[in-house]
Amino acid sequence: DAEITQSPRHKITETGRQVTLACHQTWNHNNMFWYRQDLGHGLRLIHYSYGVQDTNKGEVSDGYSVSRSNTEDLPLTLESAASSQTSVYFCASSDSSGSYEQYFGPGTRLTVT
Amino acid sequence: GEDVEQSLFLSVREGDSSVINCTYTDSSSTYLYWYKQEPGAGLQLLTYIFSNMDMKQDQRLTVLLNKKDKHLSLRIADTQTGDSAIYFCAELLIYNQGGKLIFGQGTELSVKP
Repeated sequence: DAEITQSPRHKITETGRQVTLACHQTWNHNNMFWYRQDLGHGLRLIHYSYGVQDTNKGEVSDGYSVSRSNTEDLPLTLESAASSQTSVYFCASSDSSGSYEQYFGPGTRLTVT
Repeated sequence: GEDVEQSLFLSVREGDSSVINCTYTDSSSTYLYWYKQEPGAGLQLLTYIFSNMDMKQDQRLTVLLNKKDKHLSLRIADTQTGDSAIYFCAELLIYNQGGKLIFGQGTELSVKP
């Protein structure tokens, strides 16, 4: 069965370190998205991609970057982790036509100390 | 601007019906969605409705769409304790290359036995 996976599921890192969160999908979807979820803010879009070599900024992109070198993967990099980036991060993917419903990964809980 | 709003909390008794409401702002949205998030998990797509429909029913779930008022609701019949979760509504915005979802803040449903 097709799926979307994230790794690691939990990560503790120190302020200033570079961190990369992995997202891998086997749906063969063109569209991939990264969100963060914080209490009181719901889901906020960080970056998204509509295909290989395409990346776009979302509403909270400062301090984050993504790259899309193949269809299956969209890694999220925190260039220099800050305590404000402590959050739960979700990756999602969707088809680029039809009903565009997004399928979500299980999430990565990141703590920056 | 793009905005989706939901009330934050709803409490019901087991066996009663639950109605979760949502308002959205973009009248050009073609699809609207309901997602469910259980503790510690990612978002799970429950159902979606195309904008030319007024109602969609799927077992215990009924979605009502009022395009004139930009109002979406999710009714859960015979609510069970297993329905306790956070429910997100979302609207689809289509851009030239693809689509992205705008999420509400989520409604936490508490089902009391």
